[in-house]
Amino acid sequence: EAQVTQNPRYLITVTGKKLTVTCSQNMNHEYMSWYRQDPGLGLRQIYYSMNVEVTDKGDVPEGYKVSRKEKRNFPLILESPSPNQTSLYFCASSLGLRAFFGQGTRLTVV
Amino acid sequence: QQQVKQSPQSLIVQKGGISIINCAYENTAFDYFPWYQQFPGKGPALLIAIRPDVSEKKEGRFTISFNKSAKQFSLHIMDSQPGDSATYFCAANNAGNMLTFGGGTRLMVKP
Repeated sequence: EAQVTQNPRYLITVTGKKLTVTCSQNMNHEYMSWYRQDPGLGLRQIYYSMNVEVTDKGDVPEGYKVSRKEKRNFPLILESPSPNQTSLYFCASSLGLRAFFGQGTRLTVV
Repeated sequence: QQQVKQSPQSLIVQKGGISIINCAYENTAFDYFPWYQQFPGKGPALLIAIRPDVSEKKEGRFTISFNKSAKQFSLHIMDSQPGDSATYFCAANNAGNMLTFGGGTRLMVKP
């Protein structure tokens, strides 16, 4: 089954404790991206990757890092999380103009 | 600054009624306009999309109307059903894969 898998689905952490949200896709897509979803703001792109070892900033990259060492994986790293990063996060991979989203990771930073 | 503005934020419609969600954009370089549907606990999924060279696209009960001169597009859901209750996002794309999303509309269809 074609899918984008994110882990964990839910995470509560404390300010400043480094965390990684993993994302994996099995569709061999070159383009992957991370979004955060906040009420009234829709989905805003954090980072994207056009291929292995090629990443770039989206609209709201501050406080986040990514890496793309393999085509299928695109982890999101928060090196020092802060409460304003409490949000619902989605990973997506794209074929042409169609994006396929994971099920989301709800992150709470206290 | 949101480049794609979506309204309303929430919408309640009776079963069998028409749901209408509107979006407006600023960037005239946008050339692809999809709508995504998101159910609770799930990621958004592509519902229907249109390019600016057509004024309307219909797929089943879902229709996109596009007005290039006004820089507006809308989603119409005919004969709305309780199963259509979800959050809907309009989006726009200009070259490459980067999508700019509207703020979302939470639709509730009452039985």
